[in-house]
Amino acid sequence: DVKVTQSSRYLVKRTGEKVFLECVQDMDHENMFWYRQDPGLGLRLIYFSYDVKMKEKGDIPEGYSVSREKKERFSLILESASTNQTSMYLCASSLLGGGQYNSPLHFGNGTRLTVT
Amino acid sequence: LAKTTQPISMDSYEGQEVNITCSHNNIATNDYITWYQQFPSQGPRFIIQGYKTKVTNEVASLFIPADRKSSTLSLPRVSLSDTAVYYCLVGDPVPGGSTLGRLYFGRGTQLTVWP
Repeated sequence: DVKVTQSSRYLVKRTGEKVFLECVQDMDHENMFWYRQDPGLGLRLIYFSYDVKMKEKGDIPEGYSVSREKKERFSLILESASTNQTSMYLCASSLLGGGQYNSPLHFGNGTRLTVT
Repeated sequence: LAKTTQPISMDSYEGQEVNITCSHNNIATNDYITWYQQFPSQGPRFIIQGYKTKVTNEVASLFIPADRKSSTLSLPRVSLSDTAVYYCLVGDPVPGGSTLGRLYFGRGTQLTVWP
């Protein structure tokens, strides 16, 4: 079974702090994704990566950056956390070919980040 | 952006069959239709995927008409543990570009199963 592990389940940070959210997958998947989920808005894509050191902006990249130095690890960075970044953050991975080609997304259980 | 439209919520009783329909008018030729299930405090979980006609697995069936502009997820004989949010996804038909990552989750359908 694919396992996607997010380093923290709950996180509380102060405004202006630099925040790192870590995600590791154990199935040698090429693609990795970061989403945020907010009530009434569903899941929104922040960034994704289809290879080591490669990254693409999703729909809401502002205020975030990512790092993928190793295939199994994809980090989301909040350069200067703000209260509007309080959210549930979900990491996912998939095989090469993307989520629409018989290659489902496998999600972690999320990190609930609160910025005060 | 190929968006999907689903009912916001549905209610059912244990033992009934539940059908959730999703509209996706801008689906691209190569896109598959994928459904996910999400329980509170967990990430979404893949349920079923199809391209056309009917697909069935141990959890659900997926019905896709010939024009592929909609799809219906069918859950047979639901139980209380099927209470969850269900998302329908298709890829974004960006001409000439990669559709990787351009998956629109939307708000999903909150299914509540009552005893």
